Amino acid sequence: QSALTQPASVSGSPGQSITISCTGTSSDVGGYNYVSWYQQHPGKAPKLMIYEVNNRPSGISNRFSGSKSGNTASLTISGLQAEDEADYYCSSYTSISTLELFGGGTKLTVL
Amino acid sequence: EVQLVESGGDWVKPGGSLRLSCAASGFTFTNAWMSWVRQAPGKGLEWVGRIKSKTDGGAADYAAPVKGRFTISRDDSYNTVYLQMNSLKTEDIGVYYCTTDQYNHGYGYWGHGTLVTVSS
Repeated sequence: QSALTQPASVSGSPGQSITISCTGTSSDVGGYNYVSWYQQHPGKAPKLMIYEVNNRPSGISNRFSGSKSGNTASLTISGLQAEDEADYYCSSYTSISTLELFGGGTKLTVL
Repeated sequence: EVQLVESGGDWVKPGGSLRLSCAASGFTFTNAWMSWVRQAPGKGLEWVGRIKSKTDGGAADYAAPVKGRFTISRDDSYNTVYLQMNSLKTEDIGVYYCTTDQYNHGYGYWGHGTLVTVSS
């Protein structure tokens, strides 16, 4: 089963907004509101930023927001800051075989 | 403070076995669904499997690449979850993270990871 599809890299300047897409199928992203987003800095464990498409865990900045349309979910980071530079992964529940799918990851560079 | 501490990562030859442990503290372990996620060097995250709480049946589910080779178990008296890995392959190389399914398929707590190397 293929991973969810994310762009390999995105970039933006401090203060700007960027959006990372995550494309799946009707058996995962499109069929369920169980999409999550994780931030991972080099050598560190992933950190949950968004769950159930558009919910933020306690302590996560409201600069991070999530949405979904059809089979594609999106993570938007507004007011980019240097510390946002990291890898970002989406994940989704799937009804086929493997219960959870991750995206291939997107490297965010803050210029 | 929530802590997940993995241990047991090591170097092993192809075909060998390894058991990883994850000791949990700071939350009600008996109610938690615990998962393992791995990451090959320089690659993305891959879900390995999860075990439900005993009150929810205690069953384990696995990703296709590890089904039949890996087994997840838990000991609630020690707040510990295990990952028994048999018939290891080079493609199993990576850092293995223990995590909690805290938010309906949103993994909120993560350990620091433990490295598994498979090589002859």
